Amino acid sequence: GENVEQHPSTLSVQEGDSAVIKCTYSDSASNYFPWYKQELGKRPQLIIDIRSNVGEKKDQRIAVTLNKTAKHFSLHITETQPEDSAVYFCAADYSGGGADGLTFGKGTHLIIQP
Amino acid sequence: EAQVTQNPRYLITVTGKKLTVTCSQNMNHEYMSWYRQDPGLGLRQIYYSMNVEVTDKGDVPEGYKVSRKEKRNFPLILESPSPNQTSLYFCASSLRQAYNSPLHFGNGTRLTVT
Repeated sequence: GENVEQHPSTLSVQEGDSAVIKCTYSDSASNYFPWYKQELGKRPQLIIDIRSNVGEKKDQRIAVTLNKTAKHFSLHITETQPEDSAVYFCAADYSGGGADGLTFGKGTHLIIQP
Repeated sequence: EAQVTQNPRYLITVTGKKLTVTCSQNMNHEYMSWYRQDPGLGLRQIYYSMNVEVTDKGDVPEGYKVSRKEKRNFPLILESPSPNQTSLYFCASSLRQAYNSPLHFGNGTRLTVT
């Protein structure tokens, strides 16, 4: 099955700086890569996703890049703000009939220092 | 409002006392899944269901049961809870898993087994 590794487990950045979270996956058949944000005490919520036919996707201060050859993808947050503090999960999935769904990384606790 | 509803939010029980955590979605989603979240381990899938009367094991199914008699409901059953099942549980649903539809999570159930 799929295995997703996520690094770092904790990331502390100064407010206004950029943050980068990296994930690698093992199954070359995976073709969908979402990112979820989980604020303290709340449920995970989708913030951005990318499919394997696209190399990069942006949504305001958030961007995701995908390198299919190297089997890794990254989340980039620019101009970080206090409300970006949360745990972020990457995930990978295969849409070609695989039924077991998303495999999640173990999460990155992002801390925005004032 | 489109949502996934879990009940209860908090549950404290004793070893061996059967319990059920309910999950209901009002989005007519075909795919539903249960996850447990533990510190440092991320989100691990317990069971999933592709449609009514179709369920299958995820990565950590031991000690759990599920049923999918109706499209909207996907209860998680612990026949004989043990302390190692103390965790935060999330139910999630999506439109059709094969098409990489985003997962919508419930608000979570924090279970403590003493």
